[in-house]
Amino acid sequence: GEQVEQLPSSLIVQEGASVLINCSYTDSASVYFPWYKQEPGKRLQFIIDIRSNMERKQNQRLTLLFDKKTKHLSLHITATQPGDSAIYFCSASLNTGNYKYVFGAGTRLKVIA
Amino acid sequence: AQTIHQWPVAEIKAVGSPLSLGCTIKGKSSPNLYWYWQATGGTLQQLFYSITVGQVESVVQLNLSASRPKDDQFILSTEKLLLSHSGFYLCAWSLGGEVFFGKGTRLTVV
Repeated sequence: GEQVEQLPSSLIVQEGASVLINCSYTDSASVYFPWYKQEPGKRLQFIIDIRSNMERKQNQRLTLLFDKKTKHLSLHITATQPGDSAIYFCSASLNTGNYKYVFGAGTRLKVIA
Repeated sequence: AQTIHQWPVAEIKAVGSPLSLGCTIKGKSSPNLYWYWQATGGTLQQLFYSITVGQVESVVQLNLSASRPKDDQFILSTEKLLLSHSGFYLCAWSLGGEVFFGKGTRLTVV
């Protein structure tokens, strides 16, 4: 079955820095890749997604890049703020109607003021 | 607006005791429903999904069971808890695409 690997497992950066979170998956049939953020004590929250027919998607300070050939995604966060401190998860699904979502292990980001 | 409510917020249970965790979704008709387990340290594992009342599919075997007695209700249960069941249980819903998560139930098995 699908496996999702996420790196790095943790990051500590100074406020204002940019960060890159990488995600790779194994099942070439996966077509939908939502990302989530989990702040301490809060519920998982959707932040951005991309479908396999796209290469790039941007939402304010978030840019998500997708390489279908290498089965690789990367989430770029610019101008980080302490409020960005959270665990970030990538996930993969065979399609938007599919019912199985496989998640990466998460990247714990800490932004220091 | 749609809401997702999980109960209880936290439980401390003895090994071998039964467990029932609940989840209700209001404001959405016939959503896909999910149970996830989040290990200490963050890894999310999908346990079950349900696309309609009365139908539940298991994704992994963890000596747990799930049921969907109503369109807006999803129940996770077991008759005998194991120490390995400790963790954070998340209920979620979607209509395809983005998944919306509940606040979770923290389970400690002692």
